[in-house]
Amino acid sequence: GAVVSQHPSWVICKSGTSVKIECRSLDFQATTMFWYRQFPKQSLMLMATSNEGSKATYEQGVEKDKFLINHASLTLSTLTVTSAHPEDSSFYICSASQAGVGNEQFFGPGTRLTVL
Amino acid sequence: QKEVEQNSGPLSVPEGAIASLNCTYSDRGSQSFFWYRQYSGKSPELIMFIYSNGDKEDGRFTAQLNKASQYVSLLIRDSQPSDSATYLCAENQGGKLIFGQGTELSVKP
Repeated sequence: GAVVSQHPSWVICKSGTSVKIECRSLDFQATTMFWYRQFPKQSLMLMATSNEGSKATYEQGVEKDKFLINHASLTLSTLTVTSAHPEDSSFYICSASQAGVGNEQFFGPGTRLTVL
Repeated sequence: QKEVEQNSGPLSVPEGAIASLNCTYSDRGSQSFFWYRQYSGKSPELIMFIYSNGDKEDGRFTAQLNKASQYVSLLIRDSQPSDSATYLCAENQGGKLIFGQGTELSVKP
C-alpha cells in the first residue's frame, strides 16, 4: 500500500515553455502533499506544502508565481513550472501523507526535468 | 529554519561489516526523525523512523536517538554491496521533513 505515482518520469522542454508534473496517491487519500527539488549531488529541498482544497504554502525563496501548485483532490496534486529556464532543470519529487499516520511521507518516483 | 547535518562521505566499508551513519540536528524541540535510502536517480525509500530516545531495531538496521546530545544514527549490520547508496536523515519540523545533505555509503565486496 501507500503508493505514489508521478507523471511524467522525465521531460525535456524548450526554455520559456511551461511544464506540468502530476503526483497521485494511488491507494490512499493524501491530506497533504509536498513538492521537493533535488539538484545533482545535493539533498532534497522542500519547495512547498499543499493541502487539498487550499492554497499551497511555499518555502522561503521559492517563487510561487513560477511554481504553481494545485491540490484539487485528495489523490492529485500538480506542479507547473512556468516559463522554464535551464536553471530549473532538476529532479522534482513529490510526497504524500495521511492525516494522523505518524507524519510518514510516501514518495513518488520523481520527475527529471531538463530545460534546453 | 533549523538544520540537519550529515557527513557527506563517502563512507566505505567492506562487505559484512557494520556501517555507522550519523546525523545531528539543531532544533531541541524536534520529536521524530527518519532515515531514507536513495539510490542514484531514484527517489528516497524509507528505512525507518524513530521518536523515542534509545535504539530501534528493524532487521539489519538499528536507529539510535539521543535527544540530549541532539544526534541520531543508523547502524547497518552485515553490510551488503546492495546497501551502497546515499542515506538521508530527516527531521520532522511541524509536519515538514527537513533533510540533511546525505551520506554516500559504498560497500565493497
